Amino acid sequence: VQLQESGPGLVKPSETLSLTCTVSGGSITGSSSYWSWVRQRPGKGLEWITYISDIGSTYFNPSLRSRVATSVDTSKNQISLRVTSVTAADTAIYYCARVFMRTNWFDLWGQGTLVTVSS
Amino acid sequence: NFILTQPHSVSESPGKTVTISCTRSGGNIANNFVHWYQQRPGSSPTTVIYEDNQRPSGVPDRFSGSIDSSSNSASLTISGLRTEDEAEYYCHTYDYENQGEVFGGGTKLTVL
Repeated sequence: VQLQESGPGLVKPSETLSLTCTVSGGSITGSSSYWSWVRQRPGKGLEWITYISDIGSTYFNPSLRSRVATSVDTSKNQISLRVTSVTAADTAIYYCARVFMRTNWFDLWGQGTLVTVSS
Repeated sequence: NFILTQPHSVSESPGKTVTISCTRSGGNIANNFVHWYQQRPGSSPTTVIYEDNQRPSGVPDRFSGSIDSSSNSASLTISGLRTEDEAEYYCHTYDYENQGEVFGGGTKLTVL
């Protein structure tokens, strides 16, 4: 199974950041997994953003909850992320990751995609 | 709410053993499993320890994990250090109260 993030590398301040994670080599559905987004600001540590189950149950980092949405498209085997009203502080590498549901460890990561917020 | 505190950096010589700590600020470290990730520069994180002390397939037994309830901390120990172990290491656990994931700030390991 592989995860591949895609989306615009540049977003203007106050606009919406939209990313897609495509899962290949396996199905999103019927797995003991959550599908997650994690970001890493330049030179900083890892920050969990959100995850979603294959049936659409969602969980959010409280600090980002008001600006974040996530969804799954089982027909395309994709997970999406939207972050609204972005600022320079949202500039980061965004990783898609699979979480083993029962004990909550990130067992598979995508390569990440850099999103820069700038006018 | 709690945070996971790691040393900013550690360094050790090749062939030696190093231990990286991860201290939980509130609640019991043993309440939820602790996992450890290695991130080399320019790469995605990969798991080196999951569920406190389990190694994924392919991770050498030079890597080990443990929990110490007396200090409310978890530890990652790497023995027989190699230059390829030079990386950033992150601990991670689940926050049951907020139903979300918490990462430590990361520890930069230098092998010199």
